[in-house]
Amino acid sequence: LAKTTQPISMDSYEGQEVNITCSHNNIATNDYITWYQQFPSQGPRFIIQGYKTKVTNEVASLFIPADRKSSTLSLPRVSLSDTAVYYCLVGPLTSGNTGKLIFGQGTTLQVKP
Amino acid sequence: DTAVSQTPKYLVTQMGNDKSIKCEQNLGHDTMYWYKQDSKKFLKIMFSYNNKELIINETVPNRFSPKSPDKAHLNLHINSLELGDSAVYFCASSRRSGRQETQYFGPGTRLLVL
Repeated sequence: LAKTTQPISMDSYEGQEVNITCSHNNIATNDYITWYQQFPSQGPRFIIQGYKTKVTNEVASLFIPADRKSSTLSLPRVSLSDTAVYYCLVGPLTSGNTGKLIFGQGTTLQVKP
Repeated sequence: DTAVSQTPKYLVTQMGNDKSIKCEQNLGHDTMYWYKQDSKKFLKIMFSYNNKELIINETVPNRFSPKSPDKAHLNLHINSLELGDSAVYFCASSRRSGRQETQYFGPGTRLLVL
């Protein structure tokens, strides 16, 4: 099973770009990488998902090197409201693969004014 | 309109009791999940339920049992509650669109076992 490792915490300032890296050395061929954001007292919320190279949407970019053993979530120009815990999830896309969906411990991002 | 809802939001109970947490999704998704988040913020998947097929994470004690009366509901029943069951329990549902699958989480149920 793919195990993920993330930094426990990161600090940043408003307007800066933030990059959070997740290591997943044992990622399987059919595994995808998904990032979720969680605010206090709320459930996680989907941010972005990818398989290889680069994926970009309106809120973030996801960079995945060729060996896929790590991935980097990039948040452009963060604001105070981006203060949250960010989770890296590695697993197959097929719905219901319980036990094969592994969340990282999460990275607590603190954005300062 | 709430996409994934859970009740109750808070649950305080004594060791040994049996309790249930309800989950409903109005998104029309086929797959629903239960997660446990402990005090260290680790999110662990417990169950998934897809088209009446239950897939169990083998690390989950058999005191935990999911019940799905229909595709929109996946309730979690816990027998003989233990102190270590104290955690936040999240329900989620998912849909797959092409090569992307997105999970939608409920607000969580905070369980405290005394």
